[in-house]
Amino acid sequence: NAGVTQTPKFQVLKTGQSMTLQCAQDMNHEYMSWYRQDPGMGLRLIHYSVGAGITDQGEVPNGYNVSRSTTEDFPLRLLSAAPSQTSVYFCASSGLAGGQADTQYFGPGTRLTVL
Amino acid sequence: AQSVTQLDSHVSVSEGTPVLLRCNYSSSYSPSLFWYVQHPNKGLQLLLKYTSAATLVKGINGFEAEFKKSETSFHLTKPSAHMSDAAEYFCVVIPRGTYKYIFGTGTRLKVLA
Repeated sequence: NAGVTQTPKFQVLKTGQSMTLQCAQDMNHEYMSWYRQDPGMGLRLIHYSVGAGITDQGEVPNGYNVSRSTTEDFPLRLLSAAPSQTSVYFCASSGLAGGQADTQYFGPGTRLTVL
Repeated sequence: AQSVTQLDSHVSVSEGTPVLLRCNYSSSYSPSLFWYVQHPNKGLQLLLKYTSAATLVKGINGFEAEFKKSETSFHLTKPSAHMSDAAEYFCVVIPRGTYKYIFGTGTRLKVLA
């Protein structure tokens, strides 16, 4: 049982490049989410999903796309990288209890630098 | 808008003394509340959660938190700090009926020998 896995661990991009951050979980969780962590700002929700084929925007969705074709995978796509997207990205998953998200389990993070 | 405020960005305590990390929330209805810990260059780990059962919640590593509806607070405490408690702590609220985790900005705890 690997929990939540993220790849890559580190990435450097040039402005304007695109890339996909991968996230997978093996706990059969309905809920998955992406956050970015910046100094002094805590974690901010980018996008989330409550099941295959269902996604919604979080607090800071601009410049990012997601899709959820399977329960296990929830990739995050940067369409045209900008220096403002330099951050640490965390993926998380949880079951749903009483119609809302329960305890989330976090991946180890991806440190992204955009030059 | 629903939100969560961590009142201190940095807290320093001596080893063996009590820890208090403060968190206030705003939410229309009784929310779910969590405390997570992040050690340097690590992911986030759940310390404890409140989901409308007992108001005093016990977590891992001797931490506990008390939900006080009248004060809209969910402060994290520990009777005696250990060097290994040095980390960043996040208070999180999920407004009832939503799927959105709202994180506080974090409190960095420093433990002095």
